[in-house]
Amino acid sequence: SQTIHQWPATLVQPVGSPLSLECTVEGTSNPNLYWYRQAAGRGLQLLFYSVGIGQISSEVPQNLSASRPQDRQFILSSKKLLLSDSGFYLCAWMPFANTEAFFGQGTRLTVV
Amino acid sequence: QQQVKQSPQSLIVQKGGISIINCAYENTAFDYFPWYQQFPGKGPALLIAIRPDVSEKKEGRFTISFNKSAKQFSLHIMDSQPGDSATYFCAASRNYGQNFVFGPGTRLSVLP
Repeated sequence: SQTIHQWPATLVQPVGSPLSLECTVEGTSNPNLYWYRQAAGRGLQLLFYSVGIGQISSEVPQNLSASRPQDRQFILSSKKLLLSDSGFYLCAWMPFANTEAFFGQGTRLTVV
Repeated sequence: QQQVKQSPQSLIVQKGGISIINCAYENTAFDYFPWYQQFPGKGPALLIAIRPDVSEKKEGRFTISFNKSAKQFSLHIMDSQPGDSATYFCAASRNYGQNFVFGPGTRLSVLP
């Protein structure tokens, strides 16, 4: 069966520090991969998605970036965090377009 | 065109009552309409989904009603239980589309 792993679960980082969040999927190949951000009590904002290795689409311009170095690995990065980057970050995968999305357990990022 | 509207923002229901959450969309190209359930601190999980070739889909206590002409769909939770207390997101996607458009979410509280 397929599983999605996302870590770390919580992270406290100072303003201006770098960020690296990792997401991996097991049990499938060539999934669509997604990074979402959820502010407290708010909806899901799509940040990036990828349909293949090295293919990244950005939905919202900001100081975050994403990379897909391997088929089942998706990384969210920042060179310098801002206070406004705080939130709940969710990785998700989809076997192909227009089907169920499977979410990871999320990373709670607090920038102080 | 890409927006999905969701109401109410929050909902309080007594145990055993019916919870109803409504969503509306504009893009007639959307053809997959899932509902996701999210508990605090967790990633969303698919609850039930519908495609526009049917007007209703029922799974246990959960029912989606779909009105294609009005471009609206709703989630009905029958015999609501305290364990149903969560945030519910409607979403929409289209064939060949690579991602979902999510509604802003409804926080449901079921009182014992």
